[in-house]
Amino acid sequence: KAGVTQTPRYLIKTRGQQVTLSCSPISGHRSVSWYQQTPGQGLQFLFEYFSETQRNKGNFPGRFSGRQFSNSRSEMNVSTLELGDSALYLCASSPDSGLNTGELFFGEGSRLTVL
Amino acid sequence: DQQVKQNSPSLSVQEGRISILNCDYTNSMFDYFLWYKKYPAEGPTFLISISSIKDKNEDGRFTVFLNKSAKHLSLHIVPSQPGDSAVYFCAASQGSARQLTFGSGTQLTVLP
Repeated sequence: KAGVTQTPRYLIKTRGQQVTLSCSPISGHRSVSWYQQTPGQGLQFLFEYFSETQRNKGNFPGRFSGRQFSNSRSEMNVSTLELGDSALYLCASSPDSGLNTGELFFGEGSRLTVL
Repeated sequence: DQQVKQNSPSLSVQEGRISILNCDYTNSMFDYFLWYKKYPAEGPTFLISISSIKDKNEDGRFTVFLNKSAKHLSLHIVPSQPGDSAVYFCAASQGSARQLTFGSGTQLTVLP
């Protein structure tokens, strides 16, 4: 079974630009979550999608947005990039929305550098 | 306000000995706790978890202990192996939410 796939793996943007990151969950997984990892703040929850609906949202500004498609693939977008948005963006999928085992399956991440 | 804390940024252990990684939390509403392992350039991988209704869960060389009164959990690895060298994250969740709150991680180095 293929794992969680994130694209692109690495990208460089300049301040003020916007970026879109893509995530393909494990086949059959309907929940997709996004996390930001930075050296100073660690892993922080961005949002979670299930059946094309955002179910939970972390404490990030409105510049961070996401969506989920009918095939469970998800994208996240960051607009008006700031230097502090440089981070590893991790996508995670999980198989079941009802039973919370808490186990998430993470992708390798998209490393964003903002210059 | 850090709700999940891992106060030791790093830990070095000799191969074959026990590794003990610690984690404290402040939110008493957390009811599920997990440990993830992360190698460089890879995403975190799930290691072991424990529900708040238990105080111990064991899986092979890995055991997680939960002390609810102290709001403390620990991960024991016995025996430690060089391949265990990685960053270990403690995480917690509440209810049915898929939102995990992570600690800052502990870099474990197992010396041969």
